[in-house]
Amino acid sequence: QKEVEQNSGPLSVPEGAIASLNCTYSDRGSQSFFWYRQYSGKSPELIMSIYSNGDKEDGRFTAQLNKASQYVSLLIRDSQPSDSATYLCAVPQRTDKLIFGTGTRLQVFP
Amino acid sequence: EPEVTQTPSHQVTQMGQEVILRCVPISNHLYFYWYRQILGQKVEFLVSFYNNEISEKSEIFDDQFSVERPDGSNFTLKIRSTKLEDSAMYFCATQPRDRPNYGYTFGSGTRLTVV
Repeated sequence: QKEVEQNSGPLSVPEGAIASLNCTYSDRGSQSFFWYRQYSGKSPELIMSIYSNGDKEDGRFTAQLNKASQYVSLLIRDSQPSDSATYLCAVPQRTDKLIFGTGTRLQVFP
Repeated sequence: EPEVTQTPSHQVTQMGQEVILRCVPISNHLYFYWYRQILGQKVEFLVSFYNNEISEKSEIFDDQFSVERPDGSNFTLKIRSTKLEDSAMYFCATQPRDRPNYGYTFGSGTRLTVV
């Protein structure tokens, strides 16, 4: 079984700070990587996808991928209390089912 | 923005009863999935469905589970004889026909409580 690992947190950051969320994966052949945000009691919402090594920016979010280290991260700049949620890293297997990490709970305090 | 619609939002059932969870996929999506999330745990894959048949199923998806697309629009998950450990959030997810992976769109989920 391929694994996706995340620190469960909580990660607490003050409003306006950068939140850094990390994820490692075991399948060296993985080609695409997703970050989902999940508010308590709600469904996962896709916020970022990344396919190539390096950085991908979308608004306040930046995804970073390092395939050699099997590491993908999500940076949230200018963190807001509304960013408080659990962030799920997800990696598709070759059959396209998603393998999720346990998620990192982010708390942004005013 | 197109949505994946799931009904009911919450279902309470007695152990041993059958439940049917329903999903209306986004109209041009052809790949369908069910996932579940037990409270406080990971989101787990159950089954994928394409072209009116199961593409893949997990170890969780045993003989008490079944899926179908009875009328070309709804996509259903049936649990024949519910157990206490089936209590979880069940999410339907879909992908458009032109893969590769864009990432799924998840429905809002059904919270199943087995008592």
